[in-house]
Amino acid sequence: GAVVSQHPSRVICKSGTSVKIECRSLDFQATTMFWYRQFPKQSLMLMATSNEGSKATYEQGVEKDKFLINHASLTLSTLTVTSAHPEDSSFYICSAKNRDRPSNTFGSGTRLTVV
Amino acid sequence: KQEVTQIPAALSVPEGENLVLNCSFTDSAIYNLQWFRQDPGKGLTSLLLIQSSQREQTSGRLNASLDKSSGRSTLYIAASQPGDSATYLCAVSLGQAGTALIFGKGTTLSVSS
Repeated sequence: GAVVSQHPSRVICKSGTSVKIECRSLDFQATTMFWYRQFPKQSLMLMATSNEGSKATYEQGVEKDKFLINHASLTLSTLTVTSAHPEDSSFYICSAKNRDRPSNTFGSGTRLTVV
Repeated sequence: KQEVTQIPAALSVPEGENLVLNCSFTDSAIYNLQWFRQDPGKGLTSLLLIQSSQREQTSGRLNASLDKSSGRSTLYIAASQPGDSATYLCAVSLGQAGTALIFGKGTTLSVSS
């Protein structure tokens, strides 16, 4: 139990285009979803926190107009990277809060490459 | 501001050796601490979770300890195997269960056969 499905696992897009990443909780309701980003040889850094039905809270330095987060249902949260640039190339991973467990459940991550 | 540091950044050992990975954090007011494994290009696998009131947790060949007052945790891997090769991440949670985590940069372990 407690599985978060994240898609796509890898995506290559052209500079200036938008990319949507989905995280879906398969067997529990994810009231809160955390989105992290990991640059090579760096730690995972929290980008934003989204609660179902409300606006996401972004960490300092993360552009909310560039990284659009939607958490319209208790089982689906999406992160859209708008007007992607090569510097947005990174590993993005979501983590869902499960009220029945002491720890959050992570997705498998998305490797984004912007060319 | 909470900061998590992991030492060493990389470690290479021959198969069969016992090893220790270190994690330190600057703010001792943590809710829990987790150790994760990350394989190249993959997501995270949770290995052990230690609540702030606990001193250690064990799972198979893995043992994690926590000294909250000194801001330190160690992950002990016994009888290492090539399949243990991966990056090991330490993360702390400041709030109640289910809050976001603050991660270290990880220790990349390579076990040679």
